[in-house]
Amino acid sequence: DGGITQSPKYLFRKEGQNVTLSCEQNLNHDAMYWYRQDPGQGLRLIYYSQIVNDFQKGDIAEGYSVSREKKESFPLTVTSAQKNPTAFYLCASRATGVGTEAFFGQGTRLTVV
Amino acid sequence: GENVEQHPSTLSVQEGDSAVIKCTYSDSASNYFPWYKQELGKRPQLIIDIRSNVGEKKDQRIAVTLNKTAKHFSLHITETQPEDSAVYFCAASGSTGGGNKLTFGTGTQLKVEL
Repeated sequence: DGGITQSPKYLFRKEGQNVTLSCEQNLNHDAMYWYRQDPGQGLRLIYYSQIVNDFQKGDIAEGYSVSREKKESFPLTVTSAQKNPTAFYLCASRATGVGTEAFFGQGTRLTVV
Repeated sequence: GENVEQHPSTLSVQEGDSAVIKCTYSDSASNYFPWYKQELGKRPQLIIDIRSNVGEKKDQRIAVTLNKTAKHFSLHITETQPEDSAVYFCAASGSTGGGNKLTFGTGTQLKVEL
């Protein structure tokens, strides 16, 4: 069953703790993305990766970190430096280059308690 | 970097009417413009896209137009149905990041009323 999978679906974090969101794809896509979705603010790009062992900051990278050690995996760590981490996080992947469709995971809702 | 603006933020139409959502982009090097639909509680899914060498593209009740000179593109939905109710996002992709950076607009909540 091909696709892109995020886990967990819901995540609760205490203030001051780091937390890692998982994103795995078996679509053989080189490019992967993390977006943050808040009401009225659309999908804001946190980080993206074009290839293994390479990634670039998006528009709101502060307080987040990523790694791309495997083609299939692009985990996102929300650090304690992120001031307002409560949000819905979406991971996506697409084949490299212009004009290719991005496929999204089902999202992870992170709540700071 | 690329900046994509989307209007309106909410749109309410009567069933059967047309709906138009507009987006502008800032990077003249952008050359790919997809539209995504996100139903409540679900992931965004591609509904139509257009490349910079084309001015218009249609797929049944939906169409997208692109004006590269003005740097804006629009989504047109005709004969709207209740199942068209969702949030719609435009996006732009271009030369940044080897063509891989994908920047989204802020979304339009479309409500089709009976």
